[in-house]
Amino acid sequence: SQELEQSPQSLIVQEGKNLTINCTSSKTLYGLYWYKQKYGEGLIFLMMLQKGGEEKSHEKITAKLDEKKQQSSLHITASQPSHAGIYLCGADRDDKIIFGKGTRLHILP
Amino acid sequence: GAVVSQHPSRVICKSGTSVKIECRSLDFQATTMFWYRQFPKKSLMLMATSNEGSKATYEQGVEKDKFLINHASLTLSTLTVTSAHPEDSSFYICSAASGSFYEQYFGPGTRLTVT
Repeated sequence: SQELEQSPQSLIVQEGKNLTINCTSSKTLYGLYWYKQKYGEGLIFLMMLQKGGEEKSHEKITAKLDEKKQQSSLHITASQPSHAGIYLCGADRDDKIIFGKGTRLHILP
Repeated sequence: GAVVSQHPSRVICKSGTSVKIECRSLDFQATTMFWYRQFPKKSLMLMATSNEGSKATYEQGVEKDKFLINHASLTLSTLTVTSAHPEDSSFYICSAASGSFYEQYFGPGTRLTVT
């Protein structure tokens, strides 16, 4: 069974618009990671969240972990073409990282 | 920052042949390296974890004899796909960690196509 569910699976957004990607876990998250992957390339680490209610920002990307530590959201403000790619959430699970299926983000100029 | 390279970036091989993929940590010593496989529109799946100088730990369902992993040094791990079949075609990504497993740095991936 898929432990990490990401939504939406795919997203098309007009440049300049805001967007949110969600990652939901069936179990408590003790470490939640967000990565960005350009098509056919490796993963780029964005942020790590560990505490309930934690929020981190980097440039125009903000990630939050809810108080119950079962859901995280990634919010991009004023999207740009450089934000296009696949966003994956990952979670600590038994000394390894498990991943969601990813959200494919397309930015329309 | 920590850089991990993979070689080759793309490889095409014929069914029945073996292909080796290298994963190198360029500016740090990786005590642990991870090999992942990524299918289109699927999660990144961990195949195995390797620690330098010891045998790799394979995830359930991953054939040890088919996917040979060697972690001979603190900067190099190799994945050899033996007797490749078309269903082995995939995107293989490695990552390296010098300390905690969650501090993984990912390579750019290798696209394997078996014809």
